[in-house]
Amino acid sequence: AAGVIQSPRHLIKEKRETATLKCYPIPRHDTVYWYQQGPGQDPQFLISFYEKMQSDKGSIPDRFSAQQFSDYHSELNMSSLELGDSALYFCASSDYYTGELFFGEGSRLTVL
Amino acid sequence: KNEVEQSPQNLTAQEGEFITINCSYSVGISALHWLQQHPGGGIVSLFMLSSGKKKHGRLIATINIQEKHSSLHITASHPRDSAVYICAVKKGYGNKLVFGAGTILRVKS
Repeated sequence: AAGVIQSPRHLIKEKRETATLKCYPIPRHDTVYWYQQGPGQDPQFLISFYEKMQSDKGSIPDRFSAQQFSDYHSELNMSSLELGDSALYFCASSDYYTGELFFGEGSRLTVL
Repeated sequence: KNEVEQSPQNLTAQEGEFITINCSYSVGISALHWLQQHPGGGIVSLFMLSSGKKKHGRLIATINIQEKHSSLHITASHPRDSAVYICAVKKGYGNKLVFGAGTILRVKS
């Protein structure tokens, strides 16, 4: 069965560079969530989308932006990268009515 | 005080033992998730609960809405069960998940 696909799986950037992470949800899932998990930390909710509209916002820095496209895939754009942005970024998708969550494998961002 | 508290933080068990991980929360929720995360790996959703009890293989999850408490049980534990188990709650009607700190489980053979 198709799962949540994230790309790239690993990304290395320099400080002040930009990075874009992509998330392809499970087919027919209409809700996408982004989470950030720093080293040794709990995942922190960043932002979510339902039917291509932002539905909830968490601790997402102003340097970050995200959107969900017409094919339901989502992209997380991160600019002016800082060392503290190094983390594992998870995307999850769900069907709005069942609410069951399916997570991607994560994209590991390292900022040097 | 965190909105989601898990206990224990660390747990070491012998293969075959019955394991219980507890989760207490202090906010109104619409659902509670139990998640499994292997070292350096992705997150797998084990259960989503809004009431009662669910069972999948050797895993059982229960929730008591009145007491704001949930438990994850693993019967006949196995070394491959070694992972971090995370309790996460969905608050109210929003999409935001609030995560517990996780329980690091190590099952020795």
